[in-house]
Amino acid sequence: RKEVEQDPGPFNVPEGATVAFNCTYSNSASQSFFWYRQDCRKEPKLLMSVYSSGNEDGRFTAQLNRASQYISLLIRDSKLSDSATYLCVVNVFNTDKLIFGTGTRLQVFP
Amino acid sequence: DTGVSQDPRHKITKRGQNVTFRCDPISEHNRLYWYRQTLGQGPEFLTYFQNEAQLEKSRLLSDRFSAERPKGSFSTLEIQRTEQGDSAMYLCASSPGGGNYGYTFGSGTRLTVV
Repeated sequence: RKEVEQDPGPFNVPEGATVAFNCTYSNSASQSFFWYRQDCRKEPKLLMSVYSSGNEDGRFTAQLNRASQYISLLIRDSKLSDSATYLCVVNVFNTDKLIFGTGTRLQVFP
Repeated sequence: DTGVSQDPRHKITKRGQNVTFRCDPISEHNRLYWYRQTLGQGPEFLTYFQNEAQLEKSRLLSDRFSAERPKGSFSTLEIQRTEQGDSAMYLCASSPGGGNYGYTFGSGTRLTVV
């Protein structure tokens, strides 16, 4: 089983739509959680951290369910510029490295 | 530019040649990480440094791969006797602390082995 699993997509949605991505992780000792965004042929960039209480940044909402080892990202009012790959990322307790999922590709169309 | 810098951006090499990549992290970051990414996959951990000490190496890092960070600042990743399977994007990242802080990535070095 992969340490971090995501649906690769692609998710094709119209502008203005709400879309949700899910991610599961296998190590219950995981401590920190992030969503990264990666545009085609570019480096990953930190989108947002994910906190236990859930957190929101504008149109983006992240949720964490430790009991189910599940992370989600909700994007409201999708924009064309949201088209990218979204990487679910987990840090395991007492290690310094981040483990990346394979990413979920989002395509927003007009 | 105060971000993470990688050089070169692209490298095409013949199978069997050696290649070396350089990474300059954000100056106040003491952690430096190397990842490899192939098409359709997420970045895979290769190795990381805290200051000049190399603290962990992935089993993906065969004997042909070596990384150094001699003065705790820039780092180099060398691949000896390159193989076609080494073709990938090599990403460097830095962090002010551990993984809790998230990373800042450089633009990567795209290696093509022909």
